[in-house]
Amino acid sequence: GAVVSQHPSWVICKSGTSVKIECRSLDFQATTMFWYRQFPKQSLMLMATSNEGSKATYEQGVEKDKFLINHASLTLSTLTVTSAHPEDSSFYICSARDPHQQRETQYFGPGTRLLVL
Amino acid sequence: GQNIDQPTEMTATEGAIVQINCTYQTSGFNGLFWYQQHAGEAPTFLSYNVLDGLEEKGRFSSFLSRSKGYSYLLLKELQMKDSASYLCAFMDSNYQLIWGAGTKLIIKP
Repeated sequence: GAVVSQHPSWVICKSGTSVKIECRSLDFQATTMFWYRQFPKQSLMLMATSNEGSKATYEQGVEKDKFLINHASLTLSTLTVTSAHPEDSSFYICSARDPHQQRETQYFGPGTRLLVL
Repeated sequence: GQNIDQPTEMTATEGAIVQINCTYQTSGFNGLFWYQQHAGEAPTFLSYNVLDGLEEKGRFSSFLSRSKGYSYLLLKELQMKDSASYLCAFMDSNYQLIWGAGTKLIIKP
């Protein structure tokens, strides 16, 4: 149980374009999903917390107009990187919390590698 | 304030035992997690401790002492596939995960 998928796995795009990344909880309904970014050899950095049916909560320093998050259903959250630039190239990982489990475990998707040329 | 600390890198031998320590400071605590992350992949859940003591799960065990703000992950009978980064994270009073920087474990034959 507690499977989270992400799509796409890899994205290569030109500078200035927008990229949408999908995160789905496959076998549970996730009221809360999280979006992380990880640069090479660094730890996870939480970007935002996505709550179904409400606005996402962004961490300090994360531009909400650049990283658009939508959590329209209990199984899907999307992250759109708008007007991507080379410095946005990173490993983006989503996670979801299964509300039916007593412990607050986050289950991670496989991640999306973004390369902006 | 909140902080969490773990060693940057450790080296161990195949078949041996290794203990990865994690110390933390926080005013609100709702449990401590260990995740394994292989290079280029997303983290996978290993263990969760919210009460003091040792939780054993196969070759992996995790220990927590809340009074000391201390946890460790114990890996026995090390295999080459255990080479990975091990992330500890505690959950604060807002149920938000505070992540350590990860410990890169290198297994040598």
